[in-house]
Order: sequence, then structure tokens, then C-alpha cells
Amino acid sequence: QVTLKESGPVLVKPTETLTLTCTVSGFSLSNARVGVSWIRQPPGKALEWLAHIFSNDEKSYSTSLKSRLTISQDTSKSQVVLTMTNMDPVDTATYYCARIRLGVVGGAYYYYMDVWGKGTTVTVSS
Amino acid sequence: SSELTQDPAVSVALGQTVRITCQGDSLRNYYASWYQQKPGQAPVLVIYGQKNRPSGIPDRFSGSSSGNTASLTITGALAEDEADYYCNSRDSSGNHGEVIFGGGTKLTVL
Repeated sequence: QVTLKESGPVLVKPTETLTLTCTVSGFSLSNARVGVSWIRQPPGKALEWLAHIFSNDEKSYSTSLKSRLTISQDTSKSQVVLTMTNMDPVDTATYYCARIRLGVVGGAYYYYMDVWGKGTTVTVSS
Repeated sequence: SSELTQDPAVSVALGQTVRITCQGDSLRNYYASWYQQKPGQAPVLVIYGQKNRPSGIPDRFSGSSSGNTASLTITGALAEDEADYYCNSRDSSGNHGEVIFGGGTKLTVL
């Protein structure tokens, strides 16, 4: 059974750095065409993709948040870590990690997130 | 980056068919995926690669695409289908490694 579980602080202060860990089980971070994405959702708002990392260590970041984000993985621990610097109250959200898969049709690759963690709620407040 | 546009809210009578749409230039190049999210829960993948259903997703959910529009159709909507639905795809502008989500559609089953 494939599972992902997010962990990290519930509360961070403005200007602090947030570190979130996604621990996966039931699949290997070394699998081809498989990776982990981070997505967040502010209260009452839409999903927002943040970053992902694939098994070949290919990384992508949201253009709007790129300067603040770093994603990394430790395959031996089955963990993916996301750090976000300079936290602000507008970053208050539920943060999800999800397994991202790479599909291909006719030479065109597409992404989909097939298994999600339950999410962890982060509040930014002094 | 590009955008994906969804109607904020759609309603359907119990047992009827509803189509939820997602528009964006990226959909001309990349297939959409669809996610169902119920209150207080994580999203669940219901359609990927435009029209594929993960195991466990009922066949009343189907996907299609034409031009810059992807659609999620629920044939014979049940009360349990009331939820928020999000589309996503790769971004075809600038960094093609990016992922974009639509703003979500709140489906009400009457």
C-alpha cells in the first residue's frame, strides 16, 4: 500500500524558515518516472503546486516561490524535504505531499498525482 | 506561468449528468488530470492522462478534451459526488516542469 505522510511544525513565526518532511512507504523514491510533489491549500482557497522532485533528482519549482523553496530527497530514508524561507502569514495553509507520476502518450509527457498524504496544517503567526 | 480556468460552482440534480470544464493554453500540449476533494480531506485523483480512471474510481467519472478545454463528466451523479473538483496539467509556457492547478469547481448535487 502506497502512503505518504507529512510532518513538520504546526506554528512558525514570520520570517522563519519552514521545514516539512514527507515520508513515503509502499514505493521507492528510486523508481523511474516517479517523484514527490508538494502542494499547499490556504484555508478556503484552491490548491497551489509548490515543487517536485523525481527519482533522477530532477527538480522543479513554482516560479512565484522559487526563490524561497528548496526540495531534496533522501532515498535511504524514503523522505522528501521541502524548505520555505521567510515565512509570512499568507503562507498559512495545509501542505500536502503527493506521489507524482510521469505518463507518456504519443511522445508527450504529462504529470499526475496519484496518491496524496493527509496534509499538515501550518500557521504563520507571531 | 499559464493558467487553468474553471467555473467556480456547478450544480446537478441527483442522477443527472454534469460536465465540469477546465480551460487553458497548456491543455493544447499536455493532458489534464482531475482531483476530487471533499471537506476536510485530501484530494483524490479521479482522472489522469485526460481519460484514464485509477482503480477504485467509479465508471460514472469520465474525462475528455478538445483544443484548450478538458472536461470531467459525471454520468448519474450521486450525493457522494458533492465535492470540489480541481484540474491540473503541466505548464506549457516558460518552465515546462511546472504544474498548474485550476481554481476549482464546487459541485452541488441537488
